[in-house]
Amino acid sequence: AQKVTQAQTEISVVEKEDVTLDCVYETRDTTYYLFWYKQPPSGELVFLIRRNSFDEQNEISGRYSWNFQKSTSSFNFTITASQVVDSAVYFCALSEVHRNTPLVFGKGTRLSVIA
Amino acid sequence: KAGVTQTPRYLIKTRGQQVTLSCSPISGHRSVSWYQQTPGQGLQFLFEYFSETQRNKGNFPGRFSGRQFSNSRSEMNVSTLELGDSALYLCASSSRTENTGELFFGEGSRLTVL
Repeated sequence: AQKVTQAQTEISVVEKEDVTLDCVYETRDTTYYLFWYKQPPSGELVFLIRRNSFDEQNEISGRYSWNFQKSTSSFNFTITASQVVDSAVYFCALSEVHRNTPLVFGKGTRLSVIA
Repeated sequence: KAGVTQTPRYLIKTRGQQVTLSCSPISGHRSVSWYQQTPGQGLQFLFEYFSETQRNKGNFPGRFSGRQFSNSRSEMNVSTLELGDSALYLCASSSRTENTGELFFGEGSRLTVL
């Protein structure tokens, strides 16, 4: 069965530090999508990125970057020069295309950026 | 473009009561999914509707039900409320017909059961 593991429950960093959020997934499907969502205190999950299983290129968007490695079933998320506004809960998620399963989330990592 | 709207945002019920939550998806989106979020279990999938048909269902008891109307608006109902039903209920919509998981979420309805 599909599964997403975010081993880091809470991380606290000082502003301007870099931080990496880990995500490990399990799936038997050959075609799948991986996601990162951000949940600020307001509660709404904000979509950050989607990556399909055939595209292992790393991606950078401003201070955010993602490292997808199929060999280790990992999809890690790095925030460079963190800011207080980055404080939120971050969720990694997986959906399987052929099995038509709904989006499955990890338990989330709560990131606190201290000024 | 308006986002996903959920009502009510907060509500308090007592055990044994029932509750109905509403979700208006982004205009043009035909898929609506519901998730329950609790501190212990995290985000758990409840069900998904597409064009008024339930396309997927999570592992929840029959007390949890939902439906989708012809305008894509969706409601979920929980009957005979239990203390453990206290949670943030999130609705998400998608424009895609196939399951690619790209969802747009509302701010949720926070249910407290006393």
